[in-house]
Amino acid sequence: AQTVTQSQPEMSVQEAETVTLSCTYDTSENNYYLFWYKQPPSRQMILVIRQEAYKQQNATENRFSVNFQKAAKSFSLKISDSQLGDTAMYFCAFMKPSQGNLIFGKGTKLSVKP
Amino acid sequence: DAGITQSPRHKVTETGTPVTLRCHQTENHRYMYWYRQDPGHGLRLIHYSYGVKDTDKGEVSDGYSVSRSKTEDFLLTLESATSSQTSVYFCAISRQGRGQEGYTFGSGTRLTVV
Repeated sequence: AQTVTQSQPEMSVQEAETVTLSCTYDTSENNYYLFWYKQPPSRQMILVIRQEAYKQQNATENRFSVNFQKAAKSFSLKISDSQLGDTAMYFCAFMKPSQGNLIFGKGTKLSVKP
Repeated sequence: DAGITQSPRHKVTETGTPVTLRCHQTENHRYMYWYRQDPGHGLRLIHYSYGVKDTDKGEVSDGYSVSRSKTEDFLLTLESATSSQTSVYFCAISRQGRGQEGYTFGSGTRLTVV
């Protein structure tokens, strides 16, 4: 069974600085998808970024980028120029295409301090 | 998200009573999911549906049943609520295929069983 591990329950960063959230996963699959979701205090789950395992290039969405290391089964999220609005829970998630179910890590609570 | 609504948003119920949560989508998507979110566990899949009257169990399905009699509605029922089912429940839809683009989530239902 696939598992997703987020080893940092909580992190904090100063406004305007850069922070990296870690995620590792365990799978024997070669083709799969990885996601980062953000959950602010409003409770809404917001898709931040996705990565297709067969693509070598790391995904980027504005200030958010990933470091995808397929051999190491690592999928970290980098947030540049952190803003107060980035304060949220961040969840890493894995999906096997044939299964279609998102498997989530336990989350990292990120606090951005002024 | 405008395309998916959950009701109620909050509910307090007594142990042993039946409870039904509703998820409604306006976009005619095939795949729908119910997750529960608990501190220290992230989001865990309860049940999912791949069409009208087609449903399957997820990781934590014990004590829950679902029904999907129309494409737009996916109901989650707790037949006899227990305190361990106190949680935040999220419904999600897959807007493309089985979710390779990620899911879109509803706003969640906070259920308290006393």
